[in-house]
Amino acid sequence: DTAVSQTPKYLVTQMGNDKSIKCEQNLGHDTMYWYKQDSKKFLKIMFSYNNKELIINETVPNRFSPKSPDKAHLNLHINSLELGDSAVYFCASSPTGDYGYTFGSGTRLTVV
Amino acid sequence: KQEVTQIPAALSVPEGENLVLNCSFTDSAIYNLQWFRQDPGKGLTSLLLIQSSQREQTSGRLNASLDKSSGRSTLYIAASQPGDSATYLCAVMDQGGKLIFGQGTELSVKP
Repeated sequence: DTAVSQTPKYLVTQMGNDKSIKCEQNLGHDTMYWYKQDSKKFLKIMFSYNNKELIINETVPNRFSPKSPDKAHLNLHINSLELGDSAVYFCASSPTGDYGYTFGSGTRLTVV
Repeated sequence: KQEVTQIPAALSVPEGENLVLNCSFTDSAIYNLQWFRQDPGKGLTSLLLIQSSQREQTSGRLNASLDKSSGRSTLYIAASQPGDSATYLCAVMDQGGKLIFGQGTELSVKP
């Protein structure tokens, strides 16, 4: 299946831990993104990579570090997790140009 | 700064009704506008993409329009069905390539 896939789907962890979320797309897209959906369901961009290069870095705590080993993968590492980091994190990709995004199914992170 | 607003926040209709969801944006300098559907606990499914040069797009019972100059888009759903129940999200792509979302309209179609 051609898609954007994220792992894990659910992640429950304690405050202070470090965790990673992985994302892979097999659509041949050049650009990948991380979005955060808060408890009020509002989606906001965090990062964007184009061909492994960071192009968008919104005001996000530096505990969040994206890593793109190649243009098909964009992982999100979070250090020293806090309660407020609990949210659903979505990965997305798009081809170069003004084309639409394709989203993954999300990772629900719960920090306890 | 681009802001996207969706009205209404929630909508409940009986099955079979035609309905319109509204989306407005503050900056007309957009590349495109995309409507998504999100089912509870699920990801986002792209419904329609309208390029900035287009006025509307249609897919089955869905029709989306775009009036860039007035900063408005509508999503028209014909003959609504219970399976259409979901949250509908409007998003615009700004000049920097970012997709900026509205808060969504939660639609419930009653049998």
